[in-house]
Amino acid sequence: EVQLVESGGGLEQPGGSLRLSCAASGFTFNNYAMHWVRQAPGKGLEWVSGITGSGASTYQPDSVKGRFTISRDNSKNTLYLQMNSLRAGDTAVYFCAKDVTPTVGNWLDAWGQGTLVTVSS
Amino acid sequence: QSVLTQPPSVSGAPGQRVTIFCTGGRSNIGAGYDVHWYQQLPGAAPKLLVYGNNNRPSGVPDRFSGSKSGTSASLAITDLQAEDEADYYCQSYDSLGVLYVFGTGTKVTVL
Repeated sequence: EVQLVESGGGLEQPGGSLRLSCAASGFTFNNYAMHWVRQAPGKGLEWVSGITGSGASTYQPDSVKGRFTISRDNSKNTLYLQMNSLRAGDTAVYFCAKDVTPTVGNWLDAWGQGTLVTVSS
Repeated sequence: QSVLTQPPSVSGAPGQRVTIFCTGGRSNIGAGYDVHWYQQLPGAAPKLLVYGNNNRPSGVPDRFSGSKSGTSASLAITDLQAEDEADYYCQSYDSLGVLYVFGTGTKVTVL
């Protein structure tokens, strides 16, 4: 059974940093691209980062480019999201999600339960 | 920031059929990219419901079906049941920077 378990969320001040982790199990981790998708309170889903199965390529929308960095450690079956220069608008539940191939551009067939990030002074 | 537009809400009585539309543009659905649908029950993570326009993962009832035409797609739910009450999101690929674009989301209410 595929399992994705996020951790690392919490309360952080504007301008601060947080590092999210996603522990994966139940599948061959390095065979699949992985993503972070966030959901602000009461709002819809927003894709914020993606990384290929090998980790060689990463992708972000302009809204987080230069502030967020996605990475993975395939030896530990773990996905990360380093978030710097946090803003109030980054407040959201952050979901880790699994792609269906090693490359991006497909759909997400498994999701974690999410971790809440709150940016406030 | 969503580039895929959905109606905020749809409703129907148990046993009825409801349809959710997802409208995109020439850089995503209209460019030929597939559309996928997710169901998010209250307080839960999203779950894949339909992939590749009209395919269901194992375990998803055949009451859920998808289709795509031009720059739009739709999700139909037949024989509506109380447990279908949830938020539904479409998703596609976009060639203009934001690779994964989601719809604005539609809340389905069972009357």
